[in-house]
Order: sequence, then C-alpha cells, then structure tokens
Amino acid sequence: DGGITQSPKYLFRKEGQNVTLSCEQNLNHDAMYWYRQDPGQGLRLIYYSQIVNDFQKGDIAEGYSVSREKKESFPLTVTSAQKNPTAFYLCASSRPGSTSGGNEKLFFGSGTQLSVL
Amino acid sequence: DQQVKQNSPSLSVQEGRISILNCDYTNSMFDYFLWYKKYPAEGPTFLISISSIKDKNEDGRFTVFLNKSAKHLSLHIVPSQPGDSAVYFCATTNFGNEKLTFGTGTRLTIIP
Repeated sequence: DGGITQSPKYLFRKEGQNVTLSCEQNLNHDAMYWYRQDPGQGLRLIYYSQIVNDFQKGDIAEGYSVSREKKESFPLTVTSAQKNPTAFYLCASSRPGSTSGGNEKLFFGSGTQLSVL
Repeated sequence: DQQVKQNSPSLSVQEGRISILNCDYTNSMFDYFLWYKKYPAEGPTFLISISSIKDKNEDGRFTVFLNKSAKHLSLHIVPSQPGDSAVYFCATTNFGNEKLTFGTGTRLTIIP
C-alpha cells in the first residue's frame, strides 16, 4: 500500500533538546512538505521541498531544520531555538503538476504530536 | 495576516439535514480551492476542489460553491451523516504553485 508514514506518533522534548520527526513516502512524489497545526490556527507551512537536495522555508521556518537526501524521506528537526514546539506536525507529499489536474494536491501522513516536558 | 478565514470554529447539524461550511479569502490571485476533512489525531484527507473557472462542483453528497466577486467559498453536505463529524479545512493556491494556504478549520458535529 502506498502512503506517507510519520513516526513517532507521540514525542516529548526536554528543554534545550533537538528532536527529529521522521517522514517517509512510497508514492514516488517529488514534492514534500511539513505543516504545523495549532488549535484555532489551521495548518501553517514550515518547510517544503520540490526536489531532492533542495528545500525552501515556509511561513514559520524559524527554529526548524530539514534535509532531503532521498526522494522518499524528508525529516524535520525541531531545534532548541523553537520556543513553542508543542503542536501536531503533519508531513505531506504531492505529485509534480498535481496543481493543474483537478486532483487532490496533497497526501498527508497521520501526524506526530510533539509535547514539551 | 490570515489570507483564508473560516469564521465559524464549530457547527452542529442534525443528521439528514444540510451542513454548510463557509470560507473567505482575501487574495484575488488565488484560483484553485480545496476542502480537506480531518479526524482527530489523523492527517487531513482531500474531499473536493474547484477551479476559478467554475462556480460549482459536485461530488455525491458534497458540493462546493465559489463566488469570486465576494471571495467566498462554501461546502454543502447533503444529507449530513454521523461520519461527517470532523474538522473541515478550506485551502487555496494558484495554478502551478504547490504551496497551499489553509483556513483555520470548522469543527462539524452531526447530531443523530
């Protein structure tokens, strides 16, 4: 079955600690994204990557870092510089050109809930 | 500044009746609009979309209406079923732009 796998489902971060959220897809999609969901604020874009070895900042990139060494993988690191990391993190992917096909743009994983200890 | 707004955080509808979810946007450059449905602790799933060349798109019980002059989008669900209880997000972008801008979401509760 093709899809997007995020792990872990739940993650706890201690103050001053960096943590990494995993996102793997086997849909052969070129583009991958990280969103953050906070109550009452919808989904906000953190980082996105349209091709391997390239990525761009989204609307709220401060305190986060990403890498895209493989097409299938787009891990997100929440650094100690992110002062309010508690949120539900969603990874997504899309096919190139899916914006014009009238089909769904993004496939989402099941999310990771990050909390601060 | 919120470019996409869903002004009703929550909505309760009787089973079998029509559910109407609303979405307003500010950027007239947006030309492709989508609705996503999200259950708790899960990722959103695509529901229905519409391009700016249309004013209505229908898929089974779901119909999306677009009023470009008012910059307003709505999702109608008829008849509403208990499984429709979820948070609904509208999202928008331009053709050729893979980035989506999401609204804040409306929690729909269907009352049996």
